[in-house]
Amino acid sequence: QKEVEQDPGPLSVPEGAIVSLNCTYSNSAFQYFMWYRQYSRKGPELLMYTYSSGNKEDGRFTAQVDKSSKYISLFIRDSQPSDSATYLCAMSYNDYKLSFGAGTTVTVRA
Amino acid sequence: DAEITQSPRHKITETGRQVTLACHQTWNHNNMFWYRQDLGHGLRLIHYSYGVQDTNKGEVSDGYSVSRSNTEDLPLTLESAASSQTSVYFCASSESGGLAKETQYFGPGTRLLVL
Repeated sequence: QKEVEQDPGPLSVPEGAIVSLNCTYSNSAFQYFMWYRQYSRKGPELLMYTYSSGNKEDGRFTAQVDKSSKYISLFIRDSQPSDSATYLCAMSYNDYKLSFGAGTTVTVRA
Repeated sequence: DAEITQSPRHKITETGRQVTLACHQTWNHNNMFWYRQDLGHGLRLIHYSYGVQDTNKGEVSDGYSVSRSNTEDLPLTLESAASSQTSVYFCASSESGGLAKETQYFGPGTRLLVL
């Protein structure tokens, strides 16, 4: 079993829809949670960073962490074609190393 | 602006050849990482370094080596390239301390094809 499982997708939504992305994990020691966005043929770029449980909002993006359920989510409101990318969840337990999900590819249709 | 660069961006080589992929960062980050990305597997850690002269094996280190002689560079060497090493390789770096020390910044990637 992988340490981090991510819904494989792909996901295709119309412009303006809410995109919901999820990851589950098995290591209860994880306390740093991140979402990276990766455009085609580019390196991943950090989108959201959350420490421990709770919600974090940044513009149209909301990250949620539920440590009791070992479950994290990313929501994209009012999705735009420019949000079309692969989204990777990542997490760490304070040793600087990240464990990544396999990524979910999202396409927002104009 | 500080950045992280990788070279070459694309490489074709033959089975059995030694290949070195370069990674250079100008953030003065102590931590540097090499990943490979394959469909269905996400990013898998090959090697990492927490500072000069420090190197550590990741989850898929067989057939790869790294050396860290300065803060800015962490070259990745494939000792004897195999077709199974065809992949996209990403280098990343992160700070040593602070609240966001786990935040890694990625290079643009190197696409390697081993024939």
